[in-house]
Amino acid sequence: GQQVMQIPQYQHVQEGEDFTTYCNSSTTLSNIQWYKQRPGGHPVFLIQLVKSGEVKKQKRLTFQFGEAKKNSSLHITATQTTDVGTYFCAGGSNSGYALNFGKGTSLLVTP
Amino acid sequence: KAGVTQTPRYLIKTRGQQVTLSCSPISGHRSVSWYQQTPGQGLQFLFEYFSETQRNKGNFPGRFSGRQFSNSRSEMNVSTLELGDSALYLCASSEITGPGGEQFFGPGTRLTVL
Repeated sequence: GQQVMQIPQYQHVQEGEDFTTYCNSSTTLSNIQWYKQRPGGHPVFLIQLVKSGEVKKQKRLTFQFGEAKKNSSLHITATQTTDVGTYFCAGGSNSGYALNFGKGTSLLVTP
Repeated sequence: KAGVTQTPRYLIKTRGQQVTLSCSPISGHRSVSWYQQTPGQGLQFLFEYFSETQRNKGNFPGRFSGRQFSNSRSEMNVSTLELGDSALYLCASSEITGPGGEQFFGPGTRLTVL
C-alpha cells in the first residue's frame, strides 16, 4: 500500500536559521497536504498542493510538490520560536479514500 | 462556527475493558475520520465515515469499530482494550469525503490503558 515517508524525524535549529522537511511517497499522489501540530495541540491544516511542480508560499513558508507527484517539501526561512511544533505531510491517492500521514518532523527552535 | 469537539478528553481504562469515544464535527461537515496518534507511529488512519457510511478503513484489528449518526456525529469503540491501545485518538471532520478535503481536527481523547 501507499506509504509516505518523512525526514528528518527531528530538527533543532537556532532562531533565524532555515528549516526544511521532506516527504516521499512510494506511489504517485493525487494531492498532498501539510499540517502543523504545536506541543500539546492538535494538527492544523496549512496547505494543499495538487498540481505537478506546484509551489506555494505563505509568508516565510514555501511548499513544493514534485514534478512526479511523489515528493514534497516544506521550507521555513528564518525560523522563529513560534515555528516550534511537528510538521506532518499527508498524501492522497487516486485509488483510496484516505490521507496517509507521514510520521512528522519535530522542529525545535532555540532563541 | 464551533470547531470539532471530542468527549471525553481523558480516559483511563484497564486491559480487557471497552471504551466509546465521541466526536461532533463542524456544522455542515458530513465526513468524519478517526486517527490514532502515538509517539512512535505518528498519525495512523482508523476509518472515515461519510453520510453514515464507512468509506474507508485503516489497518487496525476488528476490535476498533465506529459509526456515524444522521446528524454526522460519530463514535468510535474499542473492545477488549490492550496496553498498546494507549494513545491520543483524534477525529477530524471535512466538508467532502476522500483525501482532497481539508481535515479539521478536534482536541483529541487521551486514552490510557493500565
